[in-house]
Amino acid sequence: SQTIHQWPATLVQPVGSPLSLECTVEGTSNPNLYWYRQAAGRGLQLLFYSVGIGQISSEVPQNLSASRPQDRQFILSSKKLLLSDSGFYLCAWISNLAGRTEAFFGQGTRLTVV
Amino acid sequence: AQRVTQPEKLLSVFKGAPVELKCNYSYSGSPELFWYVQYSRQRLQLLLRHISRESIKGFTADLNKGETSFHLKKPFAQEEDSAMYYCALKKAGRRALTFGSGTRLQVQP
Repeated sequence: SQTIHQWPATLVQPVGSPLSLECTVEGTSNPNLYWYRQAAGRGLQLLFYSVGIGQISSEVPQNLSASRPQDRQFILSSKKLLLSDSGFYLCAWISNLAGRTEAFFGQGTRLTVV
Repeated sequence: AQRVTQPEKLLSVFKGAPVELKCNYSYSGSPELFWYVQYSRQRLQLLLRHISRESIKGFTADLNKGETSFHLKKPFAQEEDSAMYYCALKKAGRRALTFGSGTRLQVQP
């Protein structure tokens, strides 16, 4: 069955420190993967998506980057965190089988930049 | 660009009362709309989708293209319905979902 893992669940990092959040999926190949962020009082905003290894599309300009080093691995990174990077980060795998959209989500990471 | 609006951050009702969580969208094409729910300490999961016209856990949602709305309704709320609810839209030709800001439903005993 399809499973999506995301870690860590919570993270407190100082301003200027690097960031690496990892997301892996099981039970499928060549998944379309997404990183969303929810800032306080706002909706889940799409940050990046990837349709395959090495293929990254950015939806909004920002301090973050994403990489897809393996088929079932999607990483969200930053070289130097800003206070405004605080928020709830969610990895998602969205598939479309026979015209039916299915979305699976990681547990999310609550990042606090101090 | 498409947009999903959930005007209420928090909705508090008593057990047995009717519930309506509002969702409005802006999109010039034909959208596919969903409601997702996140219970405490659980992952975000699909509640229902408009194309299925289904009732899940007593919840229903009707797509009203004239009002560009997809409100979630339940005639009699239960305490276990307490959760965060997100309305989401999918554009034709794209897999990415556009989410609203979410509404926290609190059902009090």
